[in-house]
Amino acid sequence: KNQVEQSPQSLIILEGKNCTLQCNYTVSPFSNLRWYKQDTGRGPVSLTIMTFSENTKSNGRYTATLDADTKQSSLHITASQLSDSASYICVVSARVLTFGGGTRLMVKP
Amino acid sequence: GAGVSQSPSNKVTEKGKDVELRCDPISGHTALYWYRQSLGQGLEFLIYFQGNSAPDKSGLPSDRFSAERTGGSVSTLTIQRTQQEDSAVYLCASSPPSGGVEQYFGPGTRLTVT
Repeated sequence: KNQVEQSPQSLIILEGKNCTLQCNYTVSPFSNLRWYKQDTGRGPVSLTIMTFSENTKSNGRYTATLDADTKQSSLHITASQLSDSASYICVVSARVLTFGGGTRLMVKP
Repeated sequence: GAGVSQSPSNKVTEKGKDVELRCDPISGHTALYWYRQSLGQGLEFLIYFQGNSAPDKSGLPSDRFSAERTGGSVSTLTIQRTQQEDSAVYLCASSPPSGGVEQYFGPGTRLTVT
């Protein structure tokens, strides 16, 4: 069964600190992996998309990594800001998209 | 340009009533997806339209759920005889014909069944 598991489920960090969110998947065949940011009450917004051959991709303070051998991905947020408070969703694409449950991040001043 | 739009933004309905949710995809996008996000849950795939092909309905939770896409553009998700467990945010996304790697999401419709 295709599954995407994210950890931690929730995370609280202080403004300016770094954090790393994890995503493990069992989706097969693998097409690409995406990270989305979803603010409360809004639709998800894409942060990064990585194909099988890509190991890392950055988007400003967001850096995603992918290890297709171990089927793991991480999203690293550098120098967090209050506006980073949101849910971060890992999505793995096969025929359709399989969504992780998300990590709810809260950045406190 | 305009993004994906959905209407209404909020809908409160009584148990047993039918509801229709509308999605206007980005102009020119051939793929359209419906998802559901229940409180505290992840996104759940419902249905996928790609051009004129038969839709992928494998995610619809019951036969009370149906969706149409008219003229390859606007889509309507219909829920008949709503139940309280149908309460969720219903999200629509569309993708361009170039390969559809990227999905652009609408703001969602928050459905509350009382």
